[in-house]
Amino acid sequence: GEDVEQSLFLSVREGDSSVINCTYTDSSSTYLYWYKQEPGAGLQLLTYIFSNMDMKQDQRLTVLLNKKDKHLSLRIADTQTGDSAIYFCAFNTGKLIFGQGTTLQVKP
Amino acid sequence: GAVVSQHPSRVICKSGTSVKIECRSLDFQATTMFWYRQFPKQSLMLMATSNEGSKATYEQGVEKDKFLINHASLTLSTLTVTSAHPEDSSFYICSASQGAADNSPLHFGNGTRLTVT
Repeated sequence: GEDVEQSLFLSVREGDSSVINCTYTDSSSTYLYWYKQEPGAGLQLLTYIFSNMDMKQDQRLTVLLNKKDKHLSLRIADTQTGDSAIYFCAFNTGKLIFGQGTTLQVKP
Repeated sequence: GAVVSQHPSRVICKSGTSVKIECRSLDFQATTMFWYRQFPKQSLMLMATSNEGSKATYEQGVEKDKFLINHASLTLSTLTVTSAHPEDSSFYICSASQGAADNSPLHFGNGTRLTVT
């Protein structure tokens, strides 16, 4: 089955860039997703990338996909305190499989 | 954008009782909805896939008689936790896809925090 790995914690200062990484084993997903979860809330779809793309930028968010290394990353530019949350990468192999989640802490 | 509404957001019940959680797609029809369970500081665990007009597909290890799923219409799926016990206390989240489930982003409800006393 799919194995998805994320680092569990990242701490940055407000205004810096944040890079959240994700590695996976199954390459069959058509889309690769990033979700954000704030405390006590459900998941919010942040962005997604089609599997035949290498990069997608959407305002402060940049998604990079390295299919050769099976590595997906999410870069948040000018990180704000409101970006503090848990970020999940996810892959759709008929059902959505999530990484363990990376807790992003933004210090003022 | 697509909105998924989940109700209730929080429920406390006594051990042995049953609890029903509703998941509605508000502005789109969802042939397929998914139910997840999340333990504190952990990722989401897929419990079952809810298919409109047919039986749900349960993941390995999930008791179908314990977690009853009904997908009566294209906009509503319900999860009933039967004879709840304290170990069923968890955060339950539903999701739905606007298009084909394997080719479209999933939109999530805000979750239901279940506490069984």
